[in-house]
Amino acid sequence: VQLVESGGGLVKPGGSLRLSCAASGFSFSSYSMTWVRQAPGRGLEWVSSICTSSSYIYNAKSVKGRFTTSRDNAKNSLYLQMDSLRVEDTAVYYCARGKYNWKGDADNWFDPWGQGTLVTVSS
Amino acid sequence: SSELTQPPSVSVSPGQAATITCSANKLGDTYVYWYQQKSGQSPVLVIYQDTKRPSGIPERFSGSNSGNTATLTISGTQAMDEADYYCQAWDSDTASYVFGTGTTVTVL
Repeated sequence: VQLVESGGGLVKPGGSLRLSCAASGFSFSSYSMTWVRQAPGRGLEWVSSICTSSSYIYNAKSVKGRFTTSRDNAKNSLYLQMDSLRVEDTAVYYCARGKYNWKGDADNWFDPWGQGTLVTVSS
Repeated sequence: SSELTQPPSVSVSPGQAATITCSANKLGDTYVYWYQQKSGQSPVLVIYQDTKRPSGIPERFSGSNSGNTATLTISGTQAMDEADYYCQAWDSDTASYVFGTGTTVTVL
C-alpha cells in the first residue's frame, strides 16, 4: 500500500492550489480517503473525508466553501482543490486511506498515510 | 465532543507503563482511534475502534474508552516508543472528525 502526495508549494494569500494523492497496492475504489494537515510545529487537523462513490464528503469548518475534495477511481487518485488560501492554511497535507466501504458514519480510521506535501501560503 | 484534551507530555522509564488520556464529554459513546507520530515521520495508526490493534502493532499497545475518557497504554515502554500520540474521534455536533491536542511521550 502506497500513497504519494504531490502539488504542494508556495502560493500567495487568496491563491489556489490543487493537491493530488496517487494510491497503489490496494483496491482504491473500495476505500474512503481523507486529507489531514499539520501546521509547522502543531498538531494534526482533519480536513476532509470522501466515501468510495463520492456520495458522502465531509469537510472541516475551517475549509468549508474554500476546499473541495474529489476522487477519480479509474485513476486511483484523490484530489484537494484549495481556493482562497489563507496564511493559516500553511501546513503539511497528508492523504490517508480510510475505512473499507465507509458509509459516511462516525466509524472511520486513517491508515496508512502518505509522506505529505508542504503548502506554504505567504506573500 | 468538540475538543479532545490530552496531556501535553508524559514521561516514562524504560520497561514501565505509559498512560495517555484523551478526554471529552461522553467520549465513550463513540469510537476512539490512536496514532503515533515519530519525529519527521507521518502518523501511524496504533489503535482503532477503542481497543483493536492493526496488524504489525506490538501487543504492548492497548486502548480503552469509557465515560468521558479514552486511554492508550503502552506496557513495557521502549525507547522506540518515543513519539507524539494523537487520539481521534467523531464529533456529532459538527459532523466532523477531530484530533486530540497531542501528547509527547518521552522515555527517560
